[in-house]
Amino acid sequence: DIQLTQSPSSLSSSVGDRVTITCRASQGISNNLGWYQQKPGRAPNLLIYAASTLQSGVPSRFSGSGSGTEFTLTISSLQPEDFATYYCQQRHSYPVTFGGGTKVEIK
Amino acid sequence: EVQVVESGGGLVQPGGSLRLSCAASGFTFSDHYMDWVRQAPGKGVEWIGRARNKANSHTTEYAASVKGRFTISRDDSKNSLYLQMNSLKTEDTAVYYCVRVTTNYYLDVWGKGTTVTVS
Repeated sequence: DIQLTQSPSSLSSSVGDRVTITCRASQGISNNLGWYQQKPGRAPNLLIYAASTLQSGVPSRFSGSGSGTEFTLTISSLQPEDFATYYCQQRHSYPVTFGGGTKVEIK
Repeated sequence: EVQVVESGGGLVQPGGSLRLSCAASGFTFSDHYMDWVRQAPGKGVEWIGRARNKANSHTTEYAASVKGRFTISRDDSKNSLYLQMNSLKTEDTAVYYCVRVTTNYYLDVWGKGTTVTVS
């Protein structure tokens, strides 16, 4: 199975900050990675797929990059509604796996 | 409106069984792969399985943690997905989500989830 390791597991930031989350895969997965946002009590929501393609309706302050084993999710200017937990997910091979999550909290 | 709605959760004893259902609407259900994903209390998200579409013979894939105990099926005539859970364990306690899979295999439409408690 492909393991996805996210770092950090949590972070505290202020509104307007630039935030970067990393996801490392245990083996190369090309660009077969997605990013999801989950707010408390809600289901996850797809933000980015194919490592860098923004899902329809997602604000442009979100961006993704990477290929192979290292990927990043960047929020260019953190907004109040962005405080949430973020997960990466690989679709390269079965079983589909998710990272452990990164909780973004208000400083 | 594109949506999926889960039902069938509840309290069950260890070793028991439960069947979850997912009703889809607003899209051509038969065209899409469909997944079940769960989230234990306070934990991360765990993929548990997939049912492919009719074009791919409705074949299935499972996570190792549920293989042999859980069975995913679908009825395209009813726009419905099912999860039959047998030999339930306390560690199966979670919110279970039904999820639509995009044509490039990402998970884009999630239900609100249904809660299963094994105790």
